[in-house]
Amino acid sequence: QKEVEQNSGPLSVPEGAIASLNCTYSDRGSQSFFWYRQYSGKSPELIMFIYSNGDKEDGRFTAQLNKASQYVSLLIRDSQPSDSATYLCAVNPSYDKVIFGPGTSLSVIP
Amino acid sequence: DTEVTQTPKHLVMGMTNKKSLKCEQHMGHRAMYWYKQKAKKPPELMFVYSYEKLSINESVPSRFSPECPNSSLLNLHLHALQPEDSALYLCASSQVLDRNTEAFFGQGTRLTVV
Repeated sequence: QKEVEQNSGPLSVPEGAIASLNCTYSDRGSQSFFWYRQYSGKSPELIMFIYSNGDKEDGRFTAQLNKASQYVSLLIRDSQPSDSATYLCAVNPSYDKVIFGPGTSLSVIP
Repeated sequence: DTEVTQTPKHLVMGMTNKKSLKCEQHMGHRAMYWYKQKAKKPPELMFVYSYEKLSINESVPSRFSPECPNSSLLNLHLHALQPEDSALYLCASSQVLDRNTEAFFGQGTRLTVV
């Protein structure tokens, strides 16, 4: 079983809709969870992190964490064409290690 | 300053060359990372330095040699690489705390081995 799994997509949503990105992880000891956005040819950019069960909101982004289900998600409200990118879920199974999922490609259609 | 600076941005090297990639951060982070990313794949962890000591080596071939001269600098020395080593090499840094390890990435060095 891979450490971090995501639907590879591509996920297509119309402009203004909610995009929902999902991630599962295998190491129950993981404490911190991150969502990175990566545009083609660019480096990953941190957009959200979450440590506690429940929801965390930042602008149009909401991260949701359920440690019992080993599940973390990212919701993007009012999706914009500029949100089109690959979204990488990352987990730290130990304090000095950050492991990435395969990424979900999101396309927001104008 | 939340910047991780990598040089060079692009590098083309032959299989017999020796070159080095450099990474610098001034955020006071004590963990620094090298990742390798192939096209349409996620970053793959190569090495982690924690408090200037190598803490993780993910079974990386010896033709890649990391070095952490001080808490702000991280180098990756390259020697006798293969064409399949062509990739984007990303440096990252983070604090070394149990619940706060979001990693900040540099812009990467795009390496081509010919």
